[in-house]
Order: sequence, then C-alpha cells, then structure tokens
Amino acid sequence: GAGVSQSPRYKVAKRGQDVALRCDPISGHVSLFWYQQALGQGPEFLTYFQNEAQLDKSGLPSDRFFAERPEGSVSTLKIQRTQQEDSAVYLCASSSNSAGLAEAFFGQGTRLTVV
Amino acid sequence: KQEVTQIPAALSVPEGENLVLNCSFTDSAIYNLQWFRQDPGKGLTSLLLIQSSQREQTSGRLNASLDKSSGRSTLYIAASQPGDSATYLCAALRGGADGLTFGKGTHLIIQP
Repeated sequence: GAGVSQSPRYKVAKRGQDVALRCDPISGHVSLFWYQQALGQGPEFLTYFQNEAQLDKSGLPSDRFFAERPEGSVSTLKIQRTQQEDSAVYLCASSSNSAGLAEAFFGQGTRLTVV
Repeated sequence: KQEVTQIPAALSVPEGENLVLNCSFTDSAIYNLQWFRQDPGKGLTSLLLIQSSQREQTSGRLNASLDKSSGRSTLYIAASQPGDSATYLCAALRGGADGLTFGKGTHLIIQP
C-alpha cells in the first residue's frame, strides 16, 4: 500500500481481555516504531524494530505489552489482561532508514477503549 | 531525558493572519526535528523535517526554523486558512532507536 496501515481502527475491550493491534508499514521500510498517545497528550515511544529485530522496548509500560515483527514487515502489538489505563490511541510509524533516522510516516492509529 | 515543550497549548485566530508556533527541547544533541499535523481522530501527517545541520525548511505556506544551540524550533504559517485548523506537534529525534520525543501539541483554530 501507499501508506502505513493499522487495524482495527477502533477496539473496545473488556478489562482483563487480551488484544492484538496490527501495523502494516510502507513496503520496504526497515524501521518500525510503536507509540502510545493518551488523550490530550503527544505520542510516547513504546518500541522500535529494525527489520525483525526488536532493538528497543524501553517504552513498553509493563510486561503485559508485547510486540513482534517476525518477518520484518507486518508488526503486532499485543496487550494482555487489558486495564483501563491502557485506553489510548496506538500509533505505528515506519521509516526507510535502517537506523530510524529518516522521516517517519505514521498510520491512522488504533483507538483502544478498555471498559 | 529529552523533554519537548510547545507554546501556546491552544491558539484561535481569524483567517488570513500569519502565526508562529513554538517548540523547545532540553537536549540539543538531536539528529533531526519534525513537525506534524494531527486532525481529530486521525494519525499524524508529516509537514516538515529539519536535519540538525539545517536552519530551516519551507513547504508552501509553512516555514520551520531550527536553532539547535538554544533548543528551539518555530513553525511559521503564512496567510492562515480554516483548513489549517488542527493540532500541530513537534518531535525531536536524538537517535534512531530512541524514537521521536513529542511535545503535547498546539491546538490551532482558524476562524472563517
């Protein structure tokens, strides 16, 4: 596709439920990032992939959060046992530079609401 | 730890005015700085990217400047239009694996 694609666009989960959010980056982009954006705030870094390697996961808020990119293309962010504080928009971005230094292109985001 | 601050938090001006949005960052050791636009319920659209070695970038009615030594960037919007209404975010990149550090944004309303 022409841009970064994320699905689903909206997700409502009951507290305690597991969720999986998908990101399809721009074809050929080596670097992939996940961000979390709370209401009224700027996005905050969660994790970074270079191809299939997860080089930085320092932003993941707890061990309930897990991300993977097994074939170096599509990535999935999984949240186990969701809590209300997990409610946010989850944004995925990709970049053509292998060190993540080029312009970042963002998807539309997945709005997660935990009830 | 890098911190990015945007001033003002919100701005409402009549159509046609020129305006300036401010962004400051605490760690001047950045690789680049990006300005984004975010419409309600949407993702981020990249507007301008300034490399650390550059002083400014221009795209149409938008001009972004960077003063790395003082930790400041400004986004200048000329002849504002109602369609410019959105939240504008600046983000600094220190190193690729660190990801972008964002400010909280400036919520801009252009009155017709």
